[in-house]
Amino acid sequence: DAGVIQSPRHEVTEMGQEVTLRCKPISGHNSLFWYRQTMMRGLELLIYFNNNVPIDDSGMPEDRFSAKMPNASFSTLKIQPSEPRDSAVYFCASSLRALLAGVGETQYFGPGTRLLVL
Amino acid sequence: GQQVMQIPQYQHVQEGEDFTTYCNSSTTLSNIQWYKQRPGGHPVFLIQLVKSGEVKKQKRLTFQFGEAKKNSSLHITATQTTDVGTYFCAGPRGDYKLSFGAGTTVTVRA
Repeated sequence: DAGVIQSPRHEVTEMGQEVTLRCKPISGHNSLFWYRQTMMRGLELLIYFNNNVPIDDSGMPEDRFSAKMPNASFSTLKIQPSEPRDSAVYFCASSLRALLAGVGETQYFGPGTRLLVL
Repeated sequence: GQQVMQIPQYQHVQEGEDFTTYCNSSTTLSNIQWYKQRPGGHPVFLIQLVKSGEVKKQKRLTFQFGEAKKNSSLHITATQTTDVGTYFCAGPRGDYKLSFGAGTTVTVRA
């Protein structure tokens, strides 16, 4: 299995530009998560999808952020317009729903997209 | 809501020495997971603990889940340079989400 795939791996853009991050989860996984990681705030959950449906987007910072999952094998996180404070590493993770109650779901992280907004 | 706290935030270790990092939850956890993130890398799943008082070992790493299922520890013996990175604990939050601790960042002096 190729694992979770993210693209691009690095993105440098100017303030005000639109940024689109892409993720391909592990085949067969039905939960997908977008995280943001910074030194100041650590690992923050932005949004998660279950069976392609957004379940909880309470972590999305503001309206400039949007995420979609048009099918089971693809998701995007879009920032429009981007701002310097959006600079961070964005991780996508996927998991297979646990079959047993009380057993947590292991999350498999992609390599991340390192975003720098100038 | 449930929060997972980790201490220490940073751990500077002499190569060959042992150290322990701790994870504490404000609520009882059904399970706890540990992840490792190498510098410049992404979090990688290490292990999951489910039972009260459970102890699991992975070579030089020993993971323990407290009797009350509100705390956990990771003990590394004979630290090596390959142990460098940030270790996160994570507890379930709701049906699907994980609540990650802030992590313990480990550096090793050769």
